[in-house]
Amino acid sequence: GAGVSQSPSNKVTEKGKDVELRCDPISGHTALYWYRQRLGQGLEFLIYFQGNSAPDKSGLPSDRFSAERTGESVSTLTIQRTQQEDSAVYLCASSLAVGPYNEQFFGPGTRLTVL
Amino acid sequence: TQLLEQSPQFLSIQEGENLTVYCNSSSVFSSLQWYRQEPGEGPVLLVTVVTGGEVKKLKRLTFQFGDARKDSSLHITAAQPGDTGLYLCAGAYDYKLSFGAGTTVTVRA
Repeated sequence: GAGVSQSPSNKVTEKGKDVELRCDPISGHTALYWYRQRLGQGLEFLIYFQGNSAPDKSGLPSDRFSAERTGESVSTLTIQRTQQEDSAVYLCASSLAVGPYNEQFFGPGTRLTVL
Repeated sequence: TQLLEQSPQFLSIQEGENLTVYCNSSSVFSSLQWYRQEPGEGPVLLVTVVTGGEVKKLKRLTFQFGDARKDSSLHITAAQPGDTGLYLCAGAYDYKLSFGAGTTVTVRA
């Protein structure tokens, strides 16, 4: 099973609680991306990790959002003090190479519902 | 922000009919990708086009990249129910992808 995996698949939380989402990329993929997909909308870039380089956090919508990655493996996206507008599907993707043929392989996503 | 606009937003056709989805932008991209996403799953790459004017065919799917590398189209011939899904275009610049909002295609048997 060499695909990108994400957990949990669904998360329901109460407004104000913190949540942590996990992504296991494909082994050997140095690049890892987090996206947010709101209902009926396209994917919104959140953050990008490439090897040991400083991550590109330019897409994070507020300081309540943060992400970490351990080397070239697992990544976690943390949302603190969740708000109802944070409800969305959070997708993780990994890729082997960077360039015009950069193919991103996506996980199934975590559906977050904030009540 | 480099924006991609897709049209139409929704498309419902009968099996056997043809359809075209459009992806337009005012920005130039180094490449453009088309993905298909099914409910509960992540998007899956269908094709990457790099050269202005490039046309790629994948069985019944034909992808075209505009001469100026700002727009693209996806044409499906003789659509089948298995073609149902959300089609997303994504423009690549540097290491990022900028996604359109998607076209939801429903093919009725």
